[in-house]
Amino acid sequence: DTEVTQTPKHLVMGMTNKKSLKCEQHMGHRAMYWYKQKAKKPPELMFVYSYEKLSINESVPSRFSPECPNSSLLNLHLHALQPEDSALYLCASSQEEEGNSPLHFGNGTRLTVT
Amino acid sequence: AQKVTQAQTEISVVEKEDVTLDCVYETRDTTYYLFWYKQPPSGELVFLIRRNSFDEQNEISGRYSWNFQKSTSSFNFTITASQVVDSAVYFCALRLVDSSYKLIFGSGTRLLVRP
Repeated sequence: DTEVTQTPKHLVMGMTNKKSLKCEQHMGHRAMYWYKQKAKKPPELMFVYSYEKLSINESVPSRFSPECPNSSLLNLHLHALQPEDSALYLCASSQEEEGNSPLHFGNGTRLTVT
Repeated sequence: AQKVTQAQTEISVVEKEDVTLDCVYETRDTTYYLFWYKQPPSGELVFLIRRNSFDEQNEISGRYSWNFQKSTSSFNFTITASQVVDSAVYFCALRLVDSSYKLIFGSGTRLLVRP
């Protein structure tokens, strides 16, 4: 079983809805990540939080809004999404943001925007 | 520029065959880290191995082995006596120290192991 837990597993939302994806880890990791993965493509980095502060935003549209309430939790708030935002959203964590810490991924949330 | 190339898009083998997944990377940095991840149909990316740029020792873990060669910028992954449960997409990834610590993924290799 993965040590990074993501909810929900599946989400279908309309373009006018507001929803949130949640991610939780209890490994004491200080860096947390959101990735987006389209079918048959590698994951693409969206955001990185390091010590609960936003460290990297990969020019993600503002309809995606991350939040890190504490060191164990990471949310991704969704609003006014487009059908092309349908994808697998993966959360990950690592001990630190530095390069040699492997990322541990959750099972992902499969998002469909109708 | 930093880049990871996995030239094999899909590989199909019969159970018990050995299979090697290729990974070639590009970077001008002298310190970097290489990773392999497995993504089964369930979606989770499972960490398999990390290798530092200054450690060229090959590694074996059960049926898995990795061959790191800096001279050819390659970090290949071999599965010995493949099993149906090995069917997944495998990603090679590069992580740099002195940029933004981003994980640069290859495009992935889909491995199908047939019974």
